[in-house]
Amino acid sequence: QVQLQESGPGLVKPSETLSLTCTVSNGSISNYYWNWVRQPPGKGLEWIGNIYNSGSANYIPSLKSRVAISVDASKNQFSMELSSVTTADTAVYYCARSDNKFYFDSWGQGTLVTVSS
Amino acid sequence: DIVMTQSPDTLAVSLGERATVNCKSSQNILYDSNNKNYLAWYQQKPGQPPRLLIYWASTRESGVPDRFSGSGSGTDFTLTISSLQAEDVAVYYCQQYYISPPTFGQGTRLEIK
Repeated sequence: QVQLQESGPGLVKPSETLSLTCTVSNGSISNYYWNWVRQPPGKGLEWIGNIYNSGSANYIPSLKSRVAISVDASKNQFSMELSSVTTADTAVYYCARSDNKFYFDSWGQGTLVTVSS
Repeated sequence: DIVMTQSPDTLAVSLGERATVNCKSSQNILYDSNNKNYLAWYQQKPGQPPRLLIYWASTRESGVPDRFSGSGSGTDFTLTISSLQAEDVAVYYCQQYYISPPTFGQGTRLEIK
């Protein structure tokens, strides 16, 4: 059973860059899409973007100017950077796996990132 | 973007009774060439990530109890729990993956009456 684990700072200052990494274990990063999904406290789910192991990335248009997702297949990891954060970016950030049909069959436990000075 | 709207927002059902959650998409998510509806359902318990229950609108993920079933086509979909168990208390989300970006419903909170 593949396992995903998010890591990164839990507190980021406004206007700075949020950086998270997802480590994939018990499975290869090849031949799947690797996604980031966020959930503001008490609210619903929002897909941020994904990357294929080839490095081809897709993003939600509303965040496209601020987000970048990358993959390091040698480490079985993928990462996300979200720049110029505001308090509206405070959320639990999940990494998740999908195939090319984009429903998410494996999820990390999530990491809460708070944007505050 | 395709907007997914769930109803009701909150649902209270007695143990052993049937629970029904509805999901409506703002446009058709049935792909004619393969006759598949690009719709998934997730269960999220407090402090946990979402768990995939159903994809292709009606295909249960491995390990999901058979009291969970999905139905519907086109723009209107339903998640049914045939006999509610205490461990089914959660928030349920539908999600379309017909076109990018994939989008979720706002969630339906299921409680015990």
